[in-house]
Amino acid sequence: SQQGEEDPQALSIQEGENATMNCSYKTSINNLQWYRQNSGRGLVHLILIRSNEREKHSGRLRVTLDTSKKSSSLLITASRAADTASYFCATAPSGAQKLVFGQGTRLTINP
Amino acid sequence: EAGVVQSPRYKIIEKKQPVAFWCNPISGHNTLYWYLQNLGQGPELLIRYENEEAVDDSQLPKDRFSAERLKGVDSTLKIQPAELGDSAVYLCASSLGGGKSDTQYFGPGTRLTVL
Repeated sequence: SQQGEEDPQALSIQEGENATMNCSYKTSINNLQWYRQNSGRGLVHLILIRSNEREKHSGRLRVTLDTSKKSSSLLITASRAADTASYFCATAPSGAQKLVFGQGTRLTINP
Repeated sequence: EAGVVQSPRYKIIEKKQPVAFWCNPISGHNTLYWYLQNLGQGPELLIRYENEEAVDDSQLPKDRFSAERLKGVDSTLKIQPAELGDSAVYLCASSLGGGKSDTQYFGPGTRLTVL
């Protein structure tokens, strides 16, 4: 079973625009991670945010975490064609040493 | 530093045939994971190893799936016999270990097609 639910399932924007993806989950967590997957390839880790953190930045990426709402968002600023991929949130449930992935958001950046 | 290596990248077999996937994790990573990813879905954990011990295999269909990690390094995932519904991408990942669900590094996956 998959705990996280990403929203939207698919997103198409113009190059240069910002892209926002959301993730909701059900149980308490140790941390939440975002991964990217290009077509036909493995997942690449983007960023990890711990349960006691509210916001984290990495380059053009900004992640927020609201544990009271059990939700997270991933913002990609100034999008590029190379950002076209599927993005997955993965939660690390408290007391369980594993990651539970959502179904992903398919992001398309149009040139 | 080399990443997680998986082979083969693609495999096509007929139903009821056996198939095996191989994974070599990043050097020094104690924890190894096998995931199954269906089209349009996120990965789902099949089994997790801490060194050579399978510590979470609750999602592994044990009637037809088996895995081993001899010597706590490379791992093999086997399906025997394969069914049509097993068509998917099988991902291997590794992490340093030590608990608390640290960052996982994924291989490119093996795409299995069962005819």
